[in-house]
Amino acid sequence: NAGVTQTPKFQVLKTGQSMTLQCAQDMNHNSMYWYRQDPGMGLRLIYYSASEGTTDKGEVPNGYNVSRLNKREFSLRLESAAPSQTSVYFCASSESVGTGGFQPQHFGDGTRLSIL
Amino acid sequence: GDSVTQMEGPVTLSEEAFLTINCTYTATGYPSLFWYVQYPGEGLQLLLKATKADDKGSNKGFEATYRKETTSFHLEKGSVQVSDSAVYFCALGNTGGFKTIFGAGTRLFVKA
Repeated sequence: NAGVTQTPKFQVLKTGQSMTLQCAQDMNHNSMYWYRQDPGMGLRLIYYSASEGTTDKGEVPNGYNVSRLNKREFSLRLESAAPSQTSVYFCASSESVGTGGFQPQHFGDGTRLSIL
Repeated sequence: GDSVTQMEGPVTLSEEAFLTINCTYTATGYPSLFWYVQYPGEGLQLLLKATKADDKGSNKGFEATYRKETTSFHLEKGSVQVSDSAVYFCALGNTGGFKTIFGAGTRLFVKA
């Protein structure tokens, strides 16, 4: 019962370094999402992928890129990290909207990223 | 656009007290409504949901009723425990869309 798995769990970077956050889900979900969570700011959507082969910008896409590698995997890349990107990053997945209406999201446990 | 407003925290209660966390929404059409809970160091997890007006979602002693006339989905629990200390998020999703709209979250502290 892995659900949504994120790696790494913790990471410290220097300004200007690049890194990729990995996310994989084993629930055969069509849709996947990347959020960041900052104190007092709630959850903010960075990018999402409604289905394999598509990606779209969310509220705060600047400074990030994503890749929907296959149906299971959705990665988030920081090309040149900045201190403002220090945050906790969550990946989530959900089934497509069906007869049961809008489906809930399933979240990973997050990646805690600090940029010095 | 669609939005969710929930009461600001933190909310501090003694064990066995009654809990209410208010949530109201603005949306077109007939959204589905959710409550998620986030324990320290973890991701959000679904607590309960309701998909149409007058539906009551319930789980682990928590309840919320989808009130279309007041556009509300308030979370209640009759007797909280220390283990209920967490952040609670109200959220909505609309048919035809892919994005969930989250409230800002309400932190609950329960004292023994």
